[in-house]
Amino acid sequence: QVQLVQSGSELKKPGASVKVSCKASGYTFTRYTMNWVRQAPGQGLEWMGWISTNTGNPTYAQGFTGRFVFSSDTSVSTAYLQISSLQAEDTAVYYCATSPRGGNAFDLWGQGTMVTVSS
Amino acid sequence: DIVMTQSPDSLAVSLGERATINCKSSQTVLYSSNNKNYLAWYQQKPGQPPKLLISWASTRESGVPDRFSGSGSGTDFTLTISSLQTEDVAVYYCQQYYSTLLTFGGGTKVEIK
Repeated sequence: QVQLVQSGSELKKPGASVKVSCKASGYTFTRYTMNWVRQAPGQGLEWMGWISTNTGNPTYAQGFTGRFVFSSDTSVSTAYLQISSLQAEDTAVYYCATSPRGGNAFDLWGQGTMVTVSS
Repeated sequence: DIVMTQSPDSLAVSLGERATINCKSSQTVLYSSNNKNYLAWYQQKPGQPPKLLISWASTRESGVPDRFSGSGSGTDFTLTISSLQTEDVAVYYCQQYYSTLLTFGGGTKVEIK
């Protein structure tokens, strides 16, 4: 079954770090880039960037440089999003998404991971 | 970055009536070499991830009801729901994937009048 399964919800204090995982199955992980999308509470979708799962090379959207790091581990078909120095504004649902049918639009999404930053 | 502007922000339509959502890009998303518009539409229901409805501006995904249609080219696009059903209540987003820096529109909330 073609799917992306993300890690569970996280509650973190300001200044801490978090690492969200996205495990792919049912398709060849290294053939398609993995994207990350943020959705703050009650807000729209914001594309954060993508990582080449073949080379490990990341591309970050404006506003997601510095504290945000994309990585991947091909041995376990998993992509990761790490956020450091967490701030209250980072409270959001984070989605991974990809295009295993070969198009460029995101036809496969993870279920989302809620990250809450609160003291 | 390519800016995607959706309108309206929200709309309320009676059951069985037509709903029309517009999306405008700040620059063309039509790739001249293959004559394809790099534009997608997604539907998002509360508590769920987005679902791809339409890619290449007008190609419906498998399993998407034919009451959903996409049109437009270049910088101006439209998503039409020809006969609104209860299950279509959701937020709809356009997205361009023409640029290596992808961008979404702000979303349009569709409700029943």
